[in-house]
Amino acid sequence: GAGVSQSPSNKVTEKGKDVELRCDPISGHTALYWYRQSLGQGLEFLIYFQGNSAPDKSGLPSDRFSAERTGGSVSTLTIQRTQQEDSAVYLCASRLINYGYTFGSGTRLTVV
Amino acid sequence: DQQVKQNSPSLSVQEGRISILNCDYTNSMFDYFLWYKKYPAEGPTFLISISSIKDKNEDGRFTVFLNKSAKHLSLHIVPSQPGDSAVYFCAAGQGGSEKLVFGKGTKLTVNP
Repeated sequence: GAGVSQSPSNKVTEKGKDVELRCDPISGHTALYWYRQSLGQGLEFLIYFQGNSAPDKSGLPSDRFSAERTGGSVSTLTIQRTQQEDSAVYLCASRLINYGYTFGSGTRLTVV
Repeated sequence: DQQVKQNSPSLSVQEGRISILNCDYTNSMFDYFLWYKKYPAEGPTFLISISSIKDKNEDGRFTVFLNKSAKHLSLHIVPSQPGDSAVYFCAAGQGGSEKLVFGKGTKLTVNP
């Protein structure tokens, strides 16, 4: 596709449930990022994939968060045993090296 | 510890006037800076960037100024238009690191 696609656009889940968020990056973009924006906060880095290198997971807030990128393309962010503080907009971005990020529209996650 | 700070959560200006959005950073290792614009329910979109070897970069109505000694950058929009109303994020990066650090954003409202 022409842009970064994220699904679902909105997700409401009960506390304690697991959720999966999907990101389809722009074809050919080698780098993929997950950020999240909590209410009143900036964009918080979560994880970064670059080609076949080991991902940079330094931003994941707890071991309940994990992400994978299959075949160097689609990525899934998984949050296990969701908590209310996980409520945020989760943004995926992809880029070519030396170019800026292209963001998707995000997934708004609400944990009730 | 916020490395990129946007101290004004909101700004309101009249159409046709200049909008000035400010950003401060603490990490002297940052060597490139970007501004992103975000409309509701959309992902941030790249607006303009500047390398630390420059102190000004201009693109149409948008100009970014960088003052390295003060660790301060600003985005000037002139003339401001109602369509510029959005949240503006300042971001900073460091050569060799693929992660961007974002501020909390400033919501700009341009009144007709």
